[in-house]
Amino acid sequence: QQQVKQSPQSLIVQKGGISIINCAYENTAFDYFPWYQQFPGKGPALLIAIRPDVSEKKEGRFTISFNKSAKQFSLHIMDSQPGDSATYFCAAGSGGYQKVTFGIGTKLQVIP
Amino acid sequence: GAGVSQSPSNKVTEKGKDVELRCDPISGHTALYWYRQSLGQGLEFLIYFQGNSAPDKSGLPSDRFSAERTGGSVSTLTIQRTQQEDSAVYLCASSLVRGANTEAFFGQGTRLTVV
Repeated sequence: QQQVKQSPQSLIVQKGGISIINCAYENTAFDYFPWYQQFPGKGPALLIAIRPDVSEKKEGRFTISFNKSAKQFSLHIMDSQPGDSATYFCAAGSGGYQKVTFGIGTKLQVIP
Repeated sequence: GAGVSQSPSNKVTEKGKDVELRCDPISGHTALYWYRQSLGQGLEFLIYFQGNSAPDKSGLPSDRFSAERTGGSVSTLTIQRTQQEDSAVYLCASSLVRGANTEAFFGQGTRLTVV
């Protein structure tokens, strides 16, 4: 059972464009939605996270949009740069002792 | 240490041999995860430890895979009678599960190659 569905699995964007990655979840108990960034040969690292009490969170060029009623959230990378080329994972978790659940990942390539 | 440490970083083994992969989580982190990442693929959940609770083993692909966490700290993932399809990067992560903070910190992974 895939509790967090992520799309697309791969994405090619021109430099300066907007990269958009979407995720949907099923478990309404989730209350923490992080995004992880993974460069080749490295482990994933936390990029940005949101909680369901806000609809949007922005950090620099990275923005998470959250739609609680639709159980969807997305990552927008504005002014995408070649250095943003990486694999991005959405995830969902909740307080207490529930494990974090990851999406399948999106391989982003930003071309000059 | 400052982060999650995994060893070895690379492991080449012959088909049929057993291997042990080690994970040293961040001190004080009560939750520990093992994931498998095949070449160009996503994160495949294997097992989750939380404090003294029974581990969630729902992701282990077969009975050749097992893991333990001694003293609530170091964890070892064991793969018995390795097969070529076991070749992948095995990632360990830990988190401080307190309230709603479940940020997971990943190690660099162990790249396992079964020949």
